[in-house]
Amino acid sequence: GDSVTQMEGPVTLSEEAFLTINCTYTATGYPSLFWYVQYPGEGLQLLLKATKADDKGSNKGFEATYRKETTSFHLEKGSVQVSDSAVYFCALSHASDDKIIFGKGTRLHILP
Amino acid sequence: NAGVMQNPRHLVRRRGQEARLRCSPMKGHSHVYWYRQLPEEGLKFMVYLQKENIIDESGMPKERFSAEFPKEGPSILRIQQVVRGDSAAYFCASSPPVNRRSYEQYFGPGTRLTVT
Repeated sequence: GDSVTQMEGPVTLSEEAFLTINCTYTATGYPSLFWYVQYPGEGLQLLLKATKADDKGSNKGFEATYRKETTSFHLEKGSVQVSDSAVYFCALSHASDDKIIFGKGTRLHILP
Repeated sequence: NAGVMQNPRHLVRRRGQEARLRCSPMKGHSHVYWYRQLPEEGLKFMVYLQKENIIDESGMPKERFSAEFPKEGPSILRIQQVVRGDSAAYFCASSPPVNRRSYEQYFGPGTRLTVT
């Protein structure tokens, strides 16, 4: 079945460092890809999405490009802030389906 | 516009008791989804409901778990005779009825169930 694999955390960076969180997927067809963020004590929020190959999703300085050839959707940010500390989930879904399939999440700590 | 609301936020139950988790979708949303997050795991889909209908329960354990979304009131996820393995965070999401796509699911803050 479909699955999402993302790098294990925790990831600890200093403020203003460059961030990459790797995500690869296994799926039939052409799923949509997402990154969700979960801040402490809160629910998941959609951070960005891409619905077809070569699309780039972006939001709040974060970016991810849908790479069909490598089945990847890596999350990047050029300069992280302390407020970016959270758990990040990579996910996929099919237009014909109701469920979202999540990776295990990557906890990110940003040090001031 | 209030977001998806879940209560309680934390629930402690002894083995063998029943757990009831409630989810109020966003205003105007008529589709509700339940997900479970076990420790160190990602969220796993459990069930998808519309008002008074279960649409997809392919992720629900076969025994002890049930879900409903009545015409009036919140959606309820019910776990009977809880066991320690049920300890997890349970998230509810909702989506609007028109042009429903999975990326339009809005998540609540979750209920953390601890079974002692």
